[in-house]
Amino acid sequence: EAEVAQSPRYKITEKSQAVAFWCDPISGHATLYWYRQILGQGPELLVQFQDESVVDDSQLPKDRFSAERLKGVDSTLKIQPAELGDSAMYLCASSLDPVSGNTIYFGEGSWLTVV
Amino acid sequence: GESVGLHLPTLSVQEGDNSIINCAYSNSASDYFIWYKQESGKGPQFIIDIRSNMDKRQGQRVTVLLNKTVKHLSLQIAATQPGDSAVYFCAEIFNTGNQFYFGTGTSLTVIP
Repeated sequence: EAEVAQSPRYKITEKSQAVAFWCDPISGHATLYWYRQILGQGPELLVQFQDESVVDDSQLPKDRFSAERLKGVDSTLKIQPAELGDSAMYLCASSLDPVSGNTIYFGEGSWLTVV
Repeated sequence: GESVGLHLPTLSVQEGDNSIINCAYSNSASDYFIWYKQESGKGPQFIIDIRSNMDKRQGQRVTVLLNKTVKHLSLQIAATQPGDSAVYFCAEIFNTGNQFYFGTGTSLTVIP
């Protein structure tokens, strides 16, 4: 069964350092999401791509976060500089076309601890 | 057992009983809804979905009910098993703007 792949699974970094997460969506999925999930809460959308274009990044802290999907396939989410409050799980998800009712599938997430 | 969704984030049920997890969604324009199960340390796993032109959909041991009049969604799990212990999230999709939002979630604990 096809899966959304994410790496690294776990990352510990010092505050003020840079950190990057990678996501490879299910093949053929045009829509890609990055979410942040703080322990005990639901996922919060950071950025949504349709192919290589950003559809929604209104909740992305653009002073320190950036996301790209240059070829419309895999994607990278970067944080620079990392802050203590960035400690969370970063989830990637993908879908063929959610508006048409195609299911949105999640990866296993990347856990970030900032010390 | 039955939860009150966002206002009662935990639910405990006996193994073998049926569980009902509730969710109040926010946007009357939402036309697609998904229930996810999230086990500790893992990403959300798709359980079942429903479109707004339906009021009920059944899967294996799970049923989703949609009441658009009161903007309410529920997930029923039959014969709950210890492996069902997890946090359950409902998610709604707004057709306009292609926006996808999660509720807070309900933590289900199955007591053997």
